[in-house]
Amino acid sequence: ETGVTQSPTHLIKTRGQQVTLRCSSQSGHNTVSWYQQALGQGPQFIFQYYREEENGRGNFPPRFSGLQFPNYSSELNVNALELDDSALYLCASSPSAGRLFADTQYFGPGTRLTVL
Amino acid sequence: DQQVKQNSPSLSVQEGRISILNCDYTNSMFDYFLWYKKYPAEGPTFLISISSIKDKNEDGRFTVFLNKSAKHLSLHIVPSQPGDSAVYFCAASLNSNSGYALNFGKGTSLLVTP
Repeated sequence: ETGVTQSPTHLIKTRGQQVTLRCSSQSGHNTVSWYQQALGQGPQFIFQYYREEENGRGNFPPRFSGLQFPNYSSELNVNALELDDSALYLCASSPSAGRLFADTQYFGPGTRLTVL
Repeated sequence: DQQVKQNSPSLSVQEGRISILNCDYTNSMFDYFLWYKKYPAEGPTFLISISSIKDKNEDGRFTVFLNKSAKHLSLHIVPSQPGDSAVYFCAASLNSNSGYALNFGKGTSLLVTP
């Protein structure tokens, strides 16, 4: 069992609204990454947080923002929602941001966001 | 632009036979490669990885082969079992300012039939 949980499971929003997705990492995991998986695509890297600071960012606009908290929880916020934001959003936690973090990266089940 | 490509959306294999899943990449700076398995309604789970300094890594029934000159890797599952039926994602990473981001392919759906 990975111990990474995400909430909510499903969410429906309308264009222009704002949304906050939540992730609870395994205890001791100080690195969290967020990915967007559109239908029929592989996950796309949004950003990574390490010890509450952004550690890297993919090709996503600034309306995608995040927070990481000391209690191993984190948030993904998306402002001014667009129809193309409809996707499965995955968070993944790891005990390290070091070179081999990918081997120890555990994914949550995701939040399915639908924008109408 | 898709830097990691899995050109076979699906694969069907009989139980006990070998499953071979392929992956190609375009960025020669990638130096670490991983395979993930994903069941419906679950997040991807790490399966096996390989560093660019190796050309083969084995873990039980799973073996990953890397051909750097061809920018190609493959995952072999021998023998295939019905429980292996899932979507398999190939991913690659590089040591960059993007914080060790993983670049994923679109996935290959494997069906192992009894």
